[in-house]
Amino acid sequence: EVQLVESGGGLVLPGRSLRLSCAASGFKFDNYVMHWVRQAPGKGLEWVSGISWNGGSIDYADSVKGRFTMSRDNARNSLYLEMNSLRTEDTALYYCAKGTGWLLPAFDIWGQGTMVAVSS
Amino acid sequence: QSALTQPASVSGSPGQSITISCTGTSSDVGGYKYVSWYQQHPGKAPKLMIYDVSDRPSGVSNRFSGSKSGNTASLTISGLQAEDEADYYCCSYRSSSTLVFGTGTKVTVL
Repeated sequence: EVQLVESGGGLVLPGRSLRLSCAASGFKFDNYVMHWVRQAPGKGLEWVSGISWNGGSIDYADSVKGRFTMSRDNARNSLYLEMNSLRTEDTALYYCAKGTGWLLPAFDIWGQGTMVAVSS
Repeated sequence: QSALTQPASVSGSPGQSITISCTGTSSDVGGYKYVSWYQQHPGKAPKLMIYDVSDRPSGVSNRFSGSKSGNTASLTISGLQAEDEADYYCCSYRSSSTLVFGTGTKVTVL
């Protein structure tokens, strides 16, 4: 079964850090672009970042550039999002999603998300 | 990064057809053949319904179709069914090497 499972979310103070993980199974992970997409409570979807199959290309939304770092470990079939200098506006459900091509907006497999709450 | 513009809500009766618009600029929707559409039911992850403006993934009903004219992409749902009631989002490549979603549209089946 093709599956993405996110973990690592939680409640964190503003200015602190958090690392999200996404475990992939059921498909050849190292063949595909991967993305993080977030959704604030009651709000719409926001693309956060994307990484090429080998990690050689990574792009970020302006809202997280310089604070978030995306990476992958193809040997572990895992995706990561290191989030630093967290702000209250980063509060959201974070999804990892499988892409179909570099910076193509087609995400054909999604996880169920992990919730990040930034609050004092 | 400004989101693509979608109507907040669209409604229709069972069996009818509805169309959801997604308006951007020549730097995103109008400049590339890379627009996708997602359906999201409450409490669920989004589901890819259309990619590359008008292509349907395997398993998606042919009642869903996509098109584009200028800077506006559209999703049409024909033969509206109760199960189509959900939020819908468009997404496009943007020339600044980013991806951008639309503001989202709530579809109500009357």
